[in-house]
Amino acid sequence: QSALTQPASVSGSPGQSITISCTGSSSDVGHYNYVSWYQQHPGKAPKLILYDVSNRPSGVSHRFSGSKSDNTASLTISGLQADDEADYYCESYTTSNTRVFGSGTKVTVL
Amino acid sequence: QVQLVQSGAEVRKPGDSVKVSCKTSGYSFTSHPIQWVRQAPGKGLEWMGWINVVNGNTKSSEKLQGRVSISKDTSATTVYMELSSLRYEDTAVYYCAKALFPDDFLSASDHWGPGTPVTVSS
Repeated sequence: QSALTQPASVSGSPGQSITISCTGSSSDVGHYNYVSWYQQHPGKAPKLILYDVSNRPSGVSHRFSGSKSDNTASLTISGLQADDEADYYCESYTTSNTRVFGSGTKVTVL
Repeated sequence: QVQLVQSGAEVRKPGDSVKVSCKTSGYSFTSHPIQWVRQAPGKGLEWMGWINVVNGNTKSSEKLQGRVSISKDTSATTVYMELSSLRYEDTAVYYCAKALFPDDFLSASDHWGPGTPVTVSS
């Protein structure tokens, strides 16, 4: 199972919105609405920020939103803040009863 | 509160095996599957496998099949991941993570352990 494809880096200024794409196949992202997103700060464990494409766990800011179209899922961060600077990973359930992560995107706040 | 506490850092030689533990608390152990994820230095997250803690059924990635074994001790509310025939490229931080929903491996993982660094070096 190959990693889902994400852009290596995305940047934006404070207050702006950015979008990170996550492209898979008909065997994972395109087959299920079981796409999740994680935020990872350096040296820390990943933190769940979205599940089932667009649902936010309790305590996660409304600035994080998600969507999906065909084989591509997207994470949008609005009102970009300094603390949003981190690595972001998508993840999907697959038709093989396994999971697969995206390649990761480094978000830089300018 | 939910906690996943992992065993400490390990150093192994190529060809050795390593077993990492993940002690859970704060929720019903038998309700939520546990998955294992690793991250090589400077690299992304890699899914390794998962265990249904009710019946012990496991599933691992094709890449690691045959080398990874995931098990549980229900009385100790602990899950284990053993990786054998270690190679230099197995050097990574190994994470355990609890499924968000009971009896549901389809969705996401909401609580993660702090990670266990494993170094493979001669």
